[in-house]
Amino acid sequence: QQQVKQSPQSLIVQKGGISIINCAYENTAFDYFPWYQQFPGKGPALLIAIRPDVSEKKEGRFTISFNKSAKQFSLHIMDSQPGDSATYFCAADPFNQAGTALIFGKGTTLSVSS
Amino acid sequence: DAGVTQSPTHLIKTRGQQVTLRCSPKSGHDTVSWYQQALGQGPQFIFQYYEEEERQRGNFPDRFSGHQFPNYSSELNVNALLLGDSALYLCASSPVNKRDQYFGPGTRLLVL
Repeated sequence: QQQVKQSPQSLIVQKGGISIINCAYENTAFDYFPWYQQFPGKGPALLIAIRPDVSEKKEGRFTISFNKSAKQFSLHIMDSQPGDSATYFCAADPFNQAGTALIFGKGTTLSVSS
Repeated sequence: DAGVTQSPTHLIKTRGQQVTLRCSPKSGHDTVSWYQQALGQGPQFIFQYYEEEERQRGNFPDRFSGHQFPNYSSELNVNALLLGDSALYLCASSPVNKRDQYFGPGTRLLVL
């Protein structure tokens, strides 16, 4: 049972355009939502993370939008660049005093054409 | 400041063998988690270590075991390897009492 559904599977965006990746979840116990960027042959790199008490968080060209009632969150990459071409994963973690155990989406492969 | 390091980078084993993967967390991080990433998939949580104890475990069989040392480094052991264990094994570390996880480059395991 997939607990975090990510779409689209792949995305092609022109240089300078906006890349949008969406994720949805069912488990209302999730309360921490990070996004990761992964280049081929590398480990995932933490981009930005959000908690449900915030509707939007921005870091540089990356913005997370969060809709608690719809149980959806999305990553927006503004002014997309060829160097942003990578696989992006959303993830979620339920509150647990024992620690963080991330549940990942299946990933979105982004290609930014110049 | 060195990030999360893992060794070896690549490994080839045959079915039935045992393997040990190693991880050193970032400086100042006390919690280590292990994930398995199959080709074209997102990482799947195996288990997490804190204060040398397994604190949480995902849906993986007992063939997968681990250890954390007093210096916070960690090992992942897999016994009786199956073809399906072929994957990228990722280690992630977290700062004290924080939820952000920082991943290493992974160990690519191929089981023949």
